[in-house]
Amino acid sequence: DGGITQSPKYLFRKEGQNVTLSCEQNLNHDAMYWYRQDPGQGLRLIYYSQIVNDFQKGDIAEGYSVSREKKESFPLTVTSAQKNPTAFYLCASKDTGGNSPLHFGNGTRLTVT
Amino acid sequence: DAKTTQPPSMDCAEGRAANLPCNHSTISGNEYVYWYRQIHSQGPQYIIHGLKNNETNEMASLIITEDRKSSTLILPHATLRDTAVYYCIVRVPRNYGGSQGNLIFGKGTKLSVKP
Repeated sequence: DGGITQSPKYLFRKEGQNVTLSCEQNLNHDAMYWYRQDPGQGLRLIYYSQIVNDFQKGDIAEGYSVSREKKESFPLTVTSAQKNPTAFYLCASKDTGGNSPLHFGNGTRLTVT
Repeated sequence: DAKTTQPPSMDCAEGRAANLPCNHSTISGNEYVYWYRQIHSQGPQYIIHGLKNNETNEMASLIITEDRKSSTLILPHATLRDTAVYYCIVRVPRNYGGSQGNLIFGKGTKLSVKP
């Protein structure tokens, strides 16, 4: 089945450590996105990529980094510079058709102590 | 960018129609309205989208007012599994030759379907 796989589902890290969240899609979508969701909040865009080897900052990119070396993969690194890293992270992808919807993975819940 | 306003919560009896409203009074002519829902601890699920005409699929119907300033998502026969947070989103167009697909997610409406 086609879809988006995020791993792991739960991730625990100590403060000051970098951590990388995985996102893989087999939908053959060009565009991929990372969102962050905090309790009781909507989704906020961290980074997005419309094509391999290119990506753009979203609204809350500080303290995060991404890479897009392959079409299928868009890993997100949460660096020690991110002041409030504990959150639910969602990866999404989209066909390049102008109004096609986003498809989401089931998220990674990161807890930093 | 057009913003949306939704009630924070709604209740619906199982088997009845759930009508979820959304206000998007600043929507521009080329912006679509999208609906997603999110069940606790899962990723959002796409439901339906439309521009100006009413739309229907296997999950729901979308009614957009003639002036496009508001819309209603209708779940015709709500079940307990429809309990979720529902997001109404207006697509943000960009000027550099096509949209990058950014969607601004607000806080949504928490729909509780009760037996």
